[in-house]
Amino acid sequence: GENVEQHPSTLSVQEGDSAVIKCTYSDSASNYFPWYKQELGKRPQLIIDIRSNVGEKKDQRIAVTLNKTAKHFSLHITETQPEDSAVYFCAVSEGQAGTALIFGKGTTLSVSS
Amino acid sequence: GAVVSQHPSWVICKSGTSVKIECRSLDFQATTMFWYRQFPKQSLMLMATSNEGSKATYEQGVEKDKFLINHASLTLSTLTVTSAHPEDSSFYICSALAPLLLAGAEQFFGPGTRLTVL
Repeated sequence: GENVEQHPSTLSVQEGDSAVIKCTYSDSASNYFPWYKQELGKRPQLIIDIRSNVGEKKDQRIAVTLNKTAKHFSLHITETQPEDSAVYFCAVSEGQAGTALIFGKGTTLSVSS
Repeated sequence: GAVVSQHPSWVICKSGTSVKIECRSLDFQATTMFWYRQFPKQSLMLMATSNEGSKATYEQGVEKDKFLINHASLTLSTLTVTSAHPEDSSFYICSALAPLLLAGAEQFFGPGTRLTVL
């Protein structure tokens, strides 16, 4: 089955700095790669996603890059703010084939002001 | 966007009792729903895939006789934890697969149910 590795497990940055979280996956059939932000006790919130026919996608301070050949994708957050502090999960699925999301282990991001 | 609800949001029960958790898609029909379990400070682990009108598909290591899943309609899936024990205490989250026409997220998550077994 699919195996998703996520690094780092914790990340501490100063407000205004950039943060990068990386994930690798094993199944070459995977074609949907979302990133979720989860606050304590809450549901995961989709912050950005990318499909396999696109190499990069940006939404204001957040961007995701995908390298299908190398089977890795990354989340980039620029100009970090204290409210960005949360746990971030990458996930992988076969997209419209209707398969479930397989999640990485998560990264706890702390942004200090 | 599409809305998924879960009920109850939290439940405390005694060891040996059964607990039912409901997951509803409020404004769209979901032929497929998923159930995840999340222990403290860990990731979401897929338990099973629930398809309307058919038997659920369970992930390896998840006991189908302990975690009963019923997806009897296009808007409701239920997870029943039978003979619950303290090690079943966890955060249970469902998600519903969005129809292709809906923009945005591939799946929509419910708010989760915090189960505590005493």
